[in-house]
Amino acid sequence: AQSVTQLGSHVSVSEGALVLLRCNYSSSVPPYLFWYVQYPNQGLQLLLKYTSAATLVKGINGFEAEFKKSETSFHLTKPSAHMSDAAEYFCAVTPTGSNQFYFGTGTSLTVIP
Amino acid sequence: GAVVSQHPSRVICKSGTSVKIECRSLDFQATTMFWYRQFPKKSLMLMATSNEGSKATYEQGVEKDKFLINHASLTLSTLTVTSAHPEDSSFYICSARGSSGRGETQYFGPGTRLLVL
Repeated sequence: AQSVTQLGSHVSVSEGALVLLRCNYSSSVPPYLFWYVQYPNQGLQLLLKYTSAATLVKGINGFEAEFKKSETSFHLTKPSAHMSDAAEYFCAVTPTGSNQFYFGTGTSLTVIP
Repeated sequence: GAVVSQHPSRVICKSGTSVKIECRSLDFQATTMFWYRQFPKKSLMLMATSNEGSKATYEQGVEKDKFLINHASLTLSTLTVTSAHPEDSSFYICSARGSSGRGETQYFGPGTRLLVL
């Protein structure tokens, strides 16, 4: 069975501070992993994805994530938060060869000026 | 990146009427499209998976006679909410998955906000 756990439904950081959003997955086969961002009343925008190439993945808007198989984690980071980063972030996993996406419950990021 | 559009972006209807939502992949052929429902401050709930030219596969608990899905072409899928009721009010999001050239990524539409009065 596949599942995704996002620790912390709400994260607040000061502008300019490090952003760390946690994602752990369980998968019986090597998965593909994704981070999506959702701004209010909008759909999901792909930030980055891991598809079994480099374990450190760089995405848009300065975000990156590192796949750690030993920890079954795919945490999202950004060195310096901007006000425009305030949004809902979803981690998702899909087993290779599968159509199914499994989403985490989301983490709401607040950036404090 | 790939572009997926949805129409309408927002719709208000009376209880008992039917509403059709369109999902289009604008720059790639989508062999598979997905329909999700999102409640306020919640994650996405997969409703159904549709493959072009075949019947949709519905998730457990989703009424297929109420949420009609048609995927008539490689760039268009429609979701029709039949005899809508206020409890159907929600944010509906579609996504599309292309051919192998797109990998496993799903590309999401901007969503449709449905309000049933």
